Amino acid sequence: DAGVIQSPRHEVTEMGQEVTLRCKPISGHDYLFWYRQTMMRGLELLIYFNNNVPIDDSGMPEDRFSAKMPNASFSTLKIQPSEPRDSAVYFCASRRGTGTSVSYEQYFGPGTRLTVT
Amino acid sequence: DQQVKQNSPSLSVQEGRISILNCDYTNSMFDYFLWYKKYPAEGPTFLISISSIKDKNEDGRFTVFLNKSAKHLSLHIVPSQPGDSAVYFCAASATRGGSNYKLTFGKGTLLTVNP
Repeated sequence: DAGVIQSPRHEVTEMGQEVTLRCKPISGHDYLFWYRQTMMRGLELLIYFNNNVPIDDSGMPEDRFSAKMPNASFSTLKIQPSEPRDSAVYFCASRRGTGTSVSYEQYFGPGTRLTVT
Repeated sequence: DQQVKQNSPSLSVQEGRISILNCDYTNSMFDYFLWYKKYPAEGPTFLISISSIKDKNEDGRFTVFLNKSAKHLSLHIVPSQPGDSAVYFCAASATRGGSNYKLTFGKGTLLTVNP
C-alpha cells in the first residue's frame, strides 16, 4: 500500500515566483493536512481538509498561501509570490477519520524542501 | 505560546542503555498523545500513542508513560540501538470537541545512540 506521496521533493525558486506543492494522500483517508517545518517554529499545521473541504486554515501564514483539494486523491499548496522566509520543509499528512477504523495517527509524506532565493 | 514542549533539543546514550525522552504540555484539553520518529530527508513516522485513560502503553522496546497531574509524558526505549538515532517528536490532540483532528507538535529531541 503506497504511503502519502509528495512532489516535488526539492524545489528551488527565486523570490516572487509562484510555487506549487503537490500531495496524494493514502487511499481511503478522508483527512489531509499540510504542515511546515522550520528550525525556529518546528512543525506547524497550516491547513487541513475533511472530505476535500477545508476545515481550518488558521495556520496559513498569509494570503500568499492557498491550498486546494479538488478530489479525494490530490491536494495542492500554492505560494504566490514566494519569499525567502517561505524556505522550509513542507509536509503533507493524511488519516482516516470515519468508519470503524478511526485513528488519531497521521501518516506523513516525505516532504518537499523549498528554497526561495 | 508553545502548548507542547520538549525541553531537551538533544540526547546521547550508549547502545544497550535506556533512552528517556520527555515532553510537557500545558493544554488540559489534550487527551491523546503520540510519539513520532523522524530520520533525515524523510517524513515523521508514527511510533506509539497513549490515551489519557491510561498511564502506560508498551510496544516492544518502546514504552510511553503519562502523568496527567504533572502534564508530562515520557518515551522510554530499552535497549537503545544505533538505528534508533533520529529526531523524536511528541504530539498531542484534544479528541473531544471540534478540533479533535489536529495534532500539536513539540519541536523535537535529537536522539543519538552511540555504538
